[in-house]
Amino acid sequence: DAGVTQSPTHLIKTRGQQVTLRCSPKSGHDTVSWYQQALGQGPQFIFQYYEEEERQRGNFPDRFSGHQFPNYSSELNVNALLLGDSALYLCASSLVDRVYGYTFGSGTRLTVV
Amino acid sequence: QKEVEQDPGPLSVPEGAIVSLNCTYSNSAFQYFMWYRQYSRKGPELLMYTYSSGNKEDGRFTAQVDKSSKYISLFIRDSQPSDSATYLCAMSDFGGSEKLVFGKGTKLTVNP
Repeated sequence: DAGVTQSPTHLIKTRGQQVTLRCSPKSGHDTVSWYQQALGQGPQFIFQYYEEEERQRGNFPDRFSGHQFPNYSSELNVNALLLGDSALYLCASSLVDRVYGYTFGSGTRLTVV
Repeated sequence: QKEVEQDPGPLSVPEGAIVSLNCTYSNSAFQYFMWYRQYSRKGPELLMYTYSSGNKEDGRFTAQVDKSSKYISLFIRDSQPSDSATYLCAMSDFGGSEKLVFGKGTKLTVNP
């Protein structure tokens, strides 16, 4: 049974560009959350999607947006990239309202130069 | 003041040692407490979780929550080199939010 799959694994972008990261949730899960983990820090909540709607959002600017598709997969889009956006972006899937049931992917390492 | 504080270490111990990892928090609404383990270049994986105060044991791992002191701990007995990883505490108030609030993580190395 595949867990959470994220693509790509690594990405290098230039300041000002736009990036799209993708996530396929664990089979049977219907909720996807995105976290940003800067080097040496814990993950920080970006937002959560359920039933194709953004359910909750953390303290991130509007440059960060997302989408969930009918098959529960999700995309994270970041516009106008800044150097400070360099981080590991983690996708976590779960069943709705199951705070203990998060499964994390291995992440996408984004470097902005 | 950050919502969750965790000593980043690094922590280096000999094989077989007892390891104590700790977090403090400021948000009294937190009810769900979790410990995640993160190996290099991997995502976090859930080790243990507890609801409200009390202790929970699972094999070599024991999680403790003291809500009166806003303090949680993870103990690892008979530590092994394979336990070498970064350990992250995470918390949620769940009723109002499903987001997890993480500590910075403690990097643990168990030396053979």
